[in-house]
Amino acid sequence: AQTVTQSQPEMSVQEAETVTLSCTYDTSESNYYLFWYKQPPSRQMILVIRQEAYKQQNATENRFSVNFQKAAKSFSLKISDSQLGDTAMYFCAFMRNDYKLSFGAGTTVTVRA
Amino acid sequence: EPEVTQTPSHQVTQMGQEVILRCVPISNHLYFYWYRQILGQKVEFLVSFYNNEISEKSEIFDDQFSVERPDGSNFTLKIRSTKLEDSAMYFCASSERNSNTGELFFGEGSRLTVL
Repeated sequence: AQTVTQSQPEMSVQEAETVTLSCTYDTSESNYYLFWYKQPPSRQMILVIRQEAYKQQNATENRFSVNFQKAAKSFSLKISDSQLGDTAMYFCAFMRNDYKLSFGAGTTVTVRA
Repeated sequence: EPEVTQTPSHQVTQMGQEVILRCVPISNHLYFYWYRQILGQKVEFLVSFYNNEISEKSEIFDDQFSVERPDGSNFTLKIRSTKLEDSAMYFCASSERNSNTGELFFGEGSRLTVL
């Protein structure tokens, strides 16, 4: 079974600054997908960013970028220029070829004004 | 933009009662999923469904759970006799596996409270 580990239960960041969330995973697969989902207080799961394992280039989506280190099985998320609306729980997720998602425990991010 | 819709948004029920949670996946998607999130915990896979049958289910998905696609649009999760520990947020998701993004599209969730 795939395991996804998020070692930071909570992170706090000042508005406009940068925060990095860590995620590591364990798999023997060579082809897979990695995702970061955001869950605001409304509790809807919103896709933030995705990364295909076969792509070496790190994914970027506006203020969100990842640092994908395949050999180290690491997939960190960087939120730049943090905004109050970024306050949410962030889940790292792993998907293998059977399209089943395995989620980490989540990191609560609080953006301070 | 197409989206996955779920009803009800919140249901309160008595222990032992049957509950049906409904989902309307994105219309051209063929693969459907249910996930569960107990308050304060991680999101857990329950079941995946394709071509009118279960593709995979977790150990959480016991005999009390069933899924069905009764018509061309709805995808339902039924809990036959609810227990207190079934209280959770239930997320429906759908995907088109012929895409190269691997993305699952989630609904807004149905909160189930069992008293």
